[in-house]
Amino acid sequence: TQLLEQSPQFLSIQEGENLTVYCNSSSVFSSLQWYRQEPGEGPVLLVTVVTGGEVKKLKRLTFQFGDARKDSSLHITAAQPGDTGLYLCAGPNAGNNRKLIWGLGTSLAVNP
Amino acid sequence: EAGVTQFPSHSVIEKGQTVTLRCDPISGHDNLYWYRRVMGKEIKFLLHFVKESKQDESGMPNNRFLAERTGGTYSTLKVQPAELEDSGVYFCASSLYAVSYEQYFGPGTRLTVT
Repeated sequence: TQLLEQSPQFLSIQEGENLTVYCNSSSVFSSLQWYRQEPGEGPVLLVTVVTGGEVKKLKRLTFQFGDARKDSSLHITAAQPGDTGLYLCAGPNAGNNRKLIWGLGTSLAVNP
Repeated sequence: EAGVTQFPSHSVIEKGQTVTLRCDPISGHDNLYWYRRVMGKEIKFLLHFVKESKQDESGMPNNRFLAERTGGTYSTLKVQPAELEDSGVYFCASSLYAVSYEQYFGPGTRLTVT
């Protein structure tokens, strides 16, 4: 069974700080996605990483896919209150890539 | 372009009652997915439509759940009769292509069964 474990579960930081959240698995994933979800809304796709070792940047957000394609990280530089939200990672099921497997998420609060 | 919409946003029903959730995907998206998040658990896949056909319903919890997508446009998810453990947030997503890369999610329906 493929599982995605995210850490930390909760994170509260001050505006301007840097942070890294993690998404780990014992299984290989063909790709991993990062989503951000705000209260009352559905998850919004931020990025998809496909190649082992791949690094993608989205403004102050840096996403990395592990070389073995078993883990991924999201680094936020100089966090802002607008970054507050639930960050979820998800990856396609090995047996059926139309099904996404999800982590529990990291709930981030950036305090002004 | 309108995003994925879901109705209702909240529903509170008693155990044993019936509830029908509706999802309108992005226009032109043949692929439609239902997911559910139970409190404290991760989001779980329920089923996948391609147009009006059920491509994969392996995630449906039991036969109290019935999903339809008549005409390949909007979809409904009926729970009958509802049980306490059916409480959670039901998300619908749609995509243009039949892979999981670019799924667009609706805001979800929060279902509370009392």
